[in-house]
Amino acid sequence: DVKVTQSSRYLVKRTGEKVFLECVQDMDHENMFWYRQDPGLGLRLIYFSYDVKMKEKGDIPEGYSVSREKKERFSLILESASTNQTSMYLCASSSLAGGPSYEQFFGPGTRLTVL
Amino acid sequence: QKEVEQDPGPLSVPEGAIVSLNCTYSNSAFQYFMWYRQYSRKGPELLMYTYSSGNKEDGRFTAQVDKSSKYISLFIRDSQPSDSATYLCAMSRGYGQNFVFGPGTRLSVLP
Repeated sequence: DVKVTQSSRYLVKRTGEKVFLECVQDMDHENMFWYRQDPGLGLRLIYFSYDVKMKEKGDIPEGYSVSREKKERFSLILESASTNQTSMYLCASSSLAGGPSYEQFFGPGTRLTVL
Repeated sequence: QKEVEQDPGPLSVPEGAIVSLNCTYSNSAFQYFMWYRQYSRKGPELLMYTYSSGNKEDGRFTAQVDKSSKYISLFIRDSQPSDSATYLCAMSRGYGQNFVFGPGTRLSVLP
């Protein structure tokens, strides 16, 4: 069964803290993605990766960085958390061999609150 | 103007009703169109996808794409309380291209 897991369901951090969000997939997928989901704005792509040690900026990369040292793991880093980064963060993965649907499989999300 | 627009709802219907969910978009380059369903406290999961214009049916669900009007729809027949979720449309310019998601429509099907 396809599985994408995220390290925390809920996280509360203080302004200025460094925050790590971890995502692991067990499907040997090449592609991994980080989105944030906000009411009225939908899912917005932060960063994605097509291969180990490779990363590409999405639509809203400012204030974030990522790391992909192993194929199954993709980390999102908030170098200095700010209150406007309070959001639901969703990780997804997909396979280049997934066919025309190019289906992305999502984790359950991490709800991050920055105080 | 947002690239993909979707009525956020919430939309409440009685069990058994036909539900119509819609998205409009501005980028004529979109070729792949998808509908994701997201239950509360879960990640989205793919419900249906279509390529270019036309209809696609899967059980109680029908997806329609009208590229000339830049309009896509998802119809749910004989809606069930278990269909209560947020429905997100998504689209991409081509195979392997990143998705652009709509903001989602929250649907409640009342027993």
